Amino acid sequence: GQQLNQSPQSMFIQEGEDVSMNCTSSSIFNTWLWYKQDPGEGPVLLIALYKAGELTSNGRLTAQFGITRKDSFLNISASIPSDVGIYFCAGQPPNRGSNYKLTFGKGTLLTVNP
Amino acid sequence: SAVISQKPSRDICQRGTSLTIQCQVDSQVTMMFWYRQQPGQSLTLIATANQGSEATYESGFVIDKFPISRPNLTFSTLTVSNMSPEDSSIYLCSVGGNSGNTIYFGEGSWLTVV
Repeated sequence: GQQLNQSPQSMFIQEGEDVSMNCTSSSIFNTWLWYKQDPGEGPVLLIALYKAGELTSNGRLTAQFGITRKDSFLNISASIPSDVGIYFCAGQPPNRGSNYKLTFGKGTLLTVNP
Repeated sequence: SAVISQKPSRDICQRGTSLTIQCQVDSQVTMMFWYRQQPGQSLTLIATANQGSEATYESGFVIDKFPISRPNLTFSTLTVSNMSPEDSSIYLCSVGGNSGNTIYFGEGSWLTVV
């Protein structure tokens, strides 16, 4: 099956710094989704991307759907302590029979030092 | 986005027993899925819950171990049968299909098998 390579695996930053993480794949996806998961909770959708080249913002978060459809990045500007958590990328493959099924990256653990 | 409620949120289970997790959505949804997240890992799709018919299981997951019901468009259950410590995970209900390819998650059911 398709696999997503998410990096970095973990990040430890100072409050106020900007953060960037990305996901790459050897095959194309139709949709890229970015989620944040707090300990003991379910993933919360941050940003959804539906078109190659699309750049979307949600507050301090910005994500882009790569033009090749094989990658996506998520940026967080001016990080704050509540940004702490695990960030997952997820992609949906183009095959009709796999519509809505998600392939997840392994996650990026973000720690913000106040 | 849909409001997704899961019960139980947490449970400690005895080895060899079975537990049924419920997922209730506040609106009718086209697609419902069940994911598993083992400790420190990413999310893995168990199956697609099909309304009025048998669920579609992913490779490595079987109906005898994870029976699923979906009697209508707002409710589904996942049973984890004959549990062993390796089944200790967060089990997540997710829904999608109503607004593009966006998938939303419930808060998860954290099972610990002792």
